[in-house]
Amino acid sequence: DSGVTQTPKHLITATGQRVTLRCSPRSGDLSVYWYQQSLDQGLQFLIQYYNGEERAKGNILERFSAQQFPDLHSELNLSSLELGDSALYFCASSAGGTGAGGELFFGEGSRLTVL
Amino acid sequence: LAKTTQPISMDSYEGQEVNITCSHNNIATNDYITWYQQFPSQGPRFIIQGYKTKVTNEVASLFIPADRKSSTLSLPRVSLSDTAVYYCLVGDFSPGGYQKVTFGTGTKLQVIP
Repeated sequence: DSGVTQTPKHLITATGQRVTLRCSPRSGDLSVYWYQQSLDQGLQFLIQYYNGEERAKGNILERFSAQQFPDLHSELNLSSLELGDSALYFCASSAGGTGAGGELFFGEGSRLTVL
Repeated sequence: LAKTTQPISMDSYEGQEVNITCSHNNIATNDYITWYQQFPSQGPRFIIQGYKTKVTNEVASLFIPADRKSSTLSLPRVSLSDTAVYYCLVGDFSPGGYQKVTFGTGTKLQVIP
């Protein structure tokens, strides 16, 4: 158990709909990262937050948005869903601020299926 | 983050030692080298991290030559449960957390009985 909690574990929805994925980082971790992994593909970095502030942005679509709340949990919002958005969405957290070197802790992922 | 290059796949028999090499020619002075393991439908899991020379923990060893332009993850006596994708990451994981931590394509290790 990594200590990172993601909900829901599975989600099936239709094209054009909007969904929200939630992530609770490990206790005390300030950084949250979101990744998308399509079938048999690598992990695509979407976005990173550190202590409530956006820190880095990857190839995140304009239809997707995220935020990190004061209690440090994060939500990834996916709207106007398309078939190609079907994927595993992972959240990871890290302590940050601990100096060089460090470790990412991943949740079990949220599997999104768009029909 | 420094670009990394790894073999796409490797096969090994059970009980053998497996070495997976990662090239990172543009590694910067402050960069660390980290390896992750991912099983299907699971999030990646940290295996080992190092800066130079050799690092060993209970599951693996990491060898880093003096020029740090490559690194080798060594898995002793692999078992079927080691079948997974292994990712090499290189970057400066300074205060504030990793930034734009990008995983490469990884190496798919298949352990054969």
